[in-house]
Amino acid sequence: KQEVTQIPAALSVPEGENLVLNCSFTDSAIYNLQWFRQDPGKGLTSLLLIQSSQREQTSGRLNASLDKSSGRSTLYIAASQPGDSATYLCAPLSGGSYIPTFGRGTSLIVHP
Amino acid sequence: GAVVSQHPSRVICKSGTSVKIECRSLDFQATTMFWYRQFPKQSLMLMATSNEGSKATYEQGVEKDKFLINHASLTLSTLTVTSAHPEDSSFYICSASDNWDRVRTDTQYFGPGTRLTVL
Repeated sequence: KQEVTQIPAALSVPEGENLVLNCSFTDSAIYNLQWFRQDPGKGLTSLLLIQSSQREQTSGRLNASLDKSSGRSTLYIAASQPGDSATYLCAPLSGGSYIPTFGRGTSLIVHP
Repeated sequence: GAVVSQHPSRVICKSGTSVKIECRSLDFQATTMFWYRQFPKQSLMLMATSNEGSKATYEQGVEKDKFLINHASLTLSTLTVTSAHPEDSSFYICSASDNWDRVRTDTQYFGPGTRLTVL
């Protein structure tokens, strides 16, 4: 059974810092891995999807890397802004059920 | 494109009553819809997978008689929490796919969620 761990659980930083959010998963046989953003009391917004054959994906100030063999993915947020404050979830997609397994997320607060 | 809506966004009900939550795909036909629940500061946990016109497949530990799922059309799935109790209070999120039955790695599109509070 896939297990997903996200570190840190919470992060509070001043505006402008570059951030690193970590995700590790126990079953490296994944098809893809997706990073989501969840605002308080809201649903999920997809940020980046990395296929198993890819090493990284970039969208604006966001960059996600994937090291499938070691079961790790990292989300980099450059020049953080208060609007980035949210919970970030990673979800690898494994075979079998083909349902993404979610981590508990990293709760990010960016202070002005 | 690929917008999924949920209604209501929030609902408060008394213990023992039933609550229906709707999940709609607005601009695509969702052959498969998924229902998740999320407790505070916890991860999303899949409750069930439903395909249009057939019975839902429930995850282990999810009571099918308590959480009734109907997926009668390609744009609507409903989750009914029957005889709700305070421990059913949670955030319920649906997602939908127009191609999951053929391409299991296809993207799911998530709804905004429904906050259920049972008094």
